[in-house]
Amino acid sequence: SSELTQDPAVSVALGQTVRITCQGDSLRSYYASWYQQKPGQAPVLVIYGKNNRPSGIPDRFSGSSSGNTASLTITGAQAEDEADYYCNSRDSSGNPWVFGGGTKLTVL
Amino acid sequence: EVQLVESGGGLVQPGGSLRLSCAASGFTFSSYEMNWVRQAPGKGLEWVSYTSSSGNTIYYADSVKGRFTISRDNAKNSLYLQMNSLRAEDTAVYYCARETSITFGGGPYYYYMDVWGKGTTVTVSS
Repeated sequence: SSELTQDPAVSVALGQTVRITCQGDSLRSYYASWYQQKPGQAPVLVIYGKNNRPSGIPDRFSGSSSGNTASLTITGAQAEDEADYYCNSRDSSGNPWVFGGGTKLTVL
Repeated sequence: EVQLVESGGGLVQPGGSLRLSCAASGFTFSSYEMNWVRQAPGKGLEWVSYTSSSGNTIYYADSVKGRFTISRDNAKNSLYLQMNSLRAEDTAVYYCARETSITFGGGPYYYYMDVWGKGTTVTVSS
């Protein structure tokens, strides 16, 4: 099966912009989805497809993709954005799904 | 309100069995593919199993293949995960997640897990 690679940890100053990336071969065939998970809570979908936000997700969250890399950008990070972020995508080599290892975002 | 509620978790000895359930409400359950995803303590998300909307197509992660069985009862709006021969490494929070796939204007399909339950905790320990 495929793998998706994320940086384990990223930090951003309050109000600044941060990009979280996800790399993997499956991203050449499928768009990534992005999930926010706060401690003790279930994951929440924040971005899907080319750059789509579910209802209720602030517009400071955006997504992009190029080649084998997908990115989640938070423009003007807020304290409440501090969380773990996971990417996933359909897997082009057998199993339906693959997850990235997650990125812990710290807002300073 | 669209909702998924898991149940059935608990403490079980190595080699034991558990059956998890996921009750769906607020949407047409029979129209959606469903997944089980787990998260070991302090670790990331791991996809476990998938079922098509009809239940005719099923997949498992290699780590659980031959030990876990996913099933669904569309008449009862419920998803299940039968877990046998449990190991310590199966200790995790287990989430059920609804899968949605859409296309805009005939373009590529977008696949994503848009609804998640709060999870149920499985602990495998003697």
